[in-house]
Amino acid sequence: DGGITQSPKYLFRKEGQNVTLSCEQNLNHDAMYWYRQDPGQGLRLIYYSQIVNDFQKGDIAEGYSVSREKKESFPLTVTSAQKNPTAFYLCASSQQGSETQYFGPGTRLLVL
Amino acid sequence: QKEVEQDPGPLSVPEGAIVSLNCTYSNSAFQYFMWYRQYSRKGPELLMYTYSSGNKEDGRFTAQVDKSSKYISLFIRDSQPSDSATYLCAISSGSRLTFGEGTQLTVNP
Repeated sequence: DGGITQSPKYLFRKEGQNVTLSCEQNLNHDAMYWYRQDPGQGLRLIYYSQIVNDFQKGDIAEGYSVSREKKESFPLTVTSAQKNPTAFYLCASSQQGSETQYFGPGTRLLVL
Repeated sequence: QKEVEQDPGPLSVPEGAIVSLNCTYSNSAFQYFMWYRQYSRKGPELLMYTYSSGNKEDGRFTAQVDKSSKYISLFIRDSQPSDSATYLCAISSGSRLTFGEGTQLTVNP
């Protein structure tokens, strides 16, 4: 059963804490993306990676970090520098040369 | 000015109505046009994808692109309560997608 999985479904962060969101895909896609979704603002690109061991900042990368050590995995760390982390985080992937992106189920991050 | 503008609604229609959802964009370099459907608290799912001006039909859904006006539309015929969701337009000029804000649609039985 191919697809994109994200975990956890809900995540709670305390002040000053770093948290990591998991994204795994078994679609053999080359590119992976992280978006943040806030009410009334649509999806905004945080980071993306088109190949293993390489990634680029998106429009709102400040306070976030990523790694791409394996083709199927693209974890996102929300650092303590991100002052307003409460949002719905979506991971996506696409095949090289394709414009279409496929999304995971999302992780909702809440601040305690 | 946002690169992609989409009326956020909310839009409420009776079952069986024809629904029209629209986006405008400002960058003529945009070449690929997509519509995603997102149910509450779920990830977006791809509905339609097109890259040329004109119409593309898939069942009850029709995607329309007018590149000269920089205007794209999604029509839903015979709308059903199960169509109640947020619809996002997405436009690409390369490896990145730019999304509209999303239109929240409710189809009432």
